[in-house]
Amino acid sequence: DVKVTQSSRYLVKRTGEKVFLECVQDMDHENMFWYRQDPGLGLRLIYFSYDVKMKEKGDIPEGYSVSREKKERFSLILESASTNQTSMYLCASSLVRHVGEQYFGPGTRLTVT
Amino acid sequence: TQLLEQSPQFLSIQEGENLTVYCNSSSVFSSLQWYRQEPGEGPVLLVTVVTGGEVKKLKRLTFQFGDARKDSSLHITAAQPGDTGLYLCAPRGGSEKLVFGKGTKLTVNP
Repeated sequence: DVKVTQSSRYLVKRTGEKVFLECVQDMDHENMFWYRQDPGLGLRLIYFSYDVKMKEKGDIPEGYSVSREKKERFSLILESASTNQTSMYLCASSLVRHVGEQYFGPGTRLTVT
Repeated sequence: TQLLEQSPQFLSIQEGENLTVYCNSSSVFSSLQWYRQEPGEGPVLLVTVVTGGEVKKLKRLTFQFGDARKDSSLHITAAQPGDTGLYLCAPRGGSEKLVFGKGTKLTVNP
């Protein structure tokens, strides 16, 4: 089975802190994605990557950056956390030719106080 | 900009009832995915439909892709409490990205 793991299920950080969210997949997928999910707004794409060291902005990249140094690992960075970044963060991966068939991690619920 | 609407937004039914949820858009899709998300977990892919008019069955779940590839429906027969969750449609319009609907939150009461 495809497995996508995220470094934390729950995280509490203070305003202004730098936050790292890590995601690892074990199926040699080319594509990796970061979403945030908020009530009433659904899943929104923050960034995605289709290859090592490659990244593309999604719909809401402001306040975030990403890093993909290895194929299996995709990191989301909040440079200076703010309270409006309190959310559920979901990582996903897929094969490049099956971008619609994404495998998700369990999510990280981040609270910024 | 693609407009994507899922309906109903919330649905609460008794075990054994049938239900249908809908996913509609103004755009034509190359494919459409349905996902189910249980509380506290990430979405899990249920099915992909590609051809207009296509019908796929997954046990008690029946998925249909509209003839014009602009809409889709999910029908559940004899719903069970284990079907409880958020059902998300995610069409693909030809880019590397999916657009997720806001979902239908289904509760099946025993």
